[in-house]
Amino acid sequence: GAVVSQHPSRVICKSGTSVKIECRSLDFQATTMFWYRQFPKKSLMLMATSNEGSKATYEQGVEKDKFLINHASLTLSTLTVTSAHPEDSSFYICSARGRREYTDTQYFGPGTRLTVL
Amino acid sequence: GIQVEQSPPDLILQEGANSTLRCNFSDSVNNLQWFHQNPWGQLINLFYIPSGTKQNGRLSATTVATERYSLLYISSSQTTDSGVYFCAVRRDTGGFKTIFGAGTRLFVKA
Repeated sequence: GAVVSQHPSRVICKSGTSVKIECRSLDFQATTMFWYRQFPKKSLMLMATSNEGSKATYEQGVEKDKFLINHASLTLSTLTVTSAHPEDSSFYICSARGRREYTDTQYFGPGTRLTVL
Repeated sequence: GIQVEQSPPDLILQEGANSTLRCNFSDSVNNLQWFHQNPWGQLINLFYIPSGTKQNGRLSATTVATERYSLLYISSSQTTDSGVYFCAVRRDTGGFKTIFGAGTRLFVKA
């Protein structure tokens, strides 16, 4: 099946620094990529949707200046958490949707666990 | 927006038992997927099933789109089935957003 990778898998940073998370679709072209956030023992909350070459669409309540999303190519999207604070600590998951298969399925990356000290 | 409700929220099974997980959704959808999130956080796609019935080994799923629900059946459960099972739906109007249910947390005892 299709593979989506994320890097890094785990990151610890100091408060006030910025962290970049990469999401790559390895064997298909992702027309759309999604970024989710998951708190412990909670469901996935959609943060933003990005289409290649255009600006991301953010969900209500998500600060677009804090969570910068770039979808520069059909296989790469990045999420940058700017001036991170402890409350930004969370599990961030990306997913990619492409028309590689008729089923039009979303494939998820393995997630990035961010801890802000 | 569309609401997705999963039941039960928590489930404990003895190894070998069967179970049924339910997903109700409040509006018509273009896509429905079942996922298993393992203890390491990885989401595994189980089924893409906007309607009908599919089977994959010990797992099967049925979606009755007209009645707005989907069921995930797990037969002869194994300890490796433990984790959280999410139902996620998408409507193609409004930006292809996929909305997740709260999940069913399953623990299979040896």
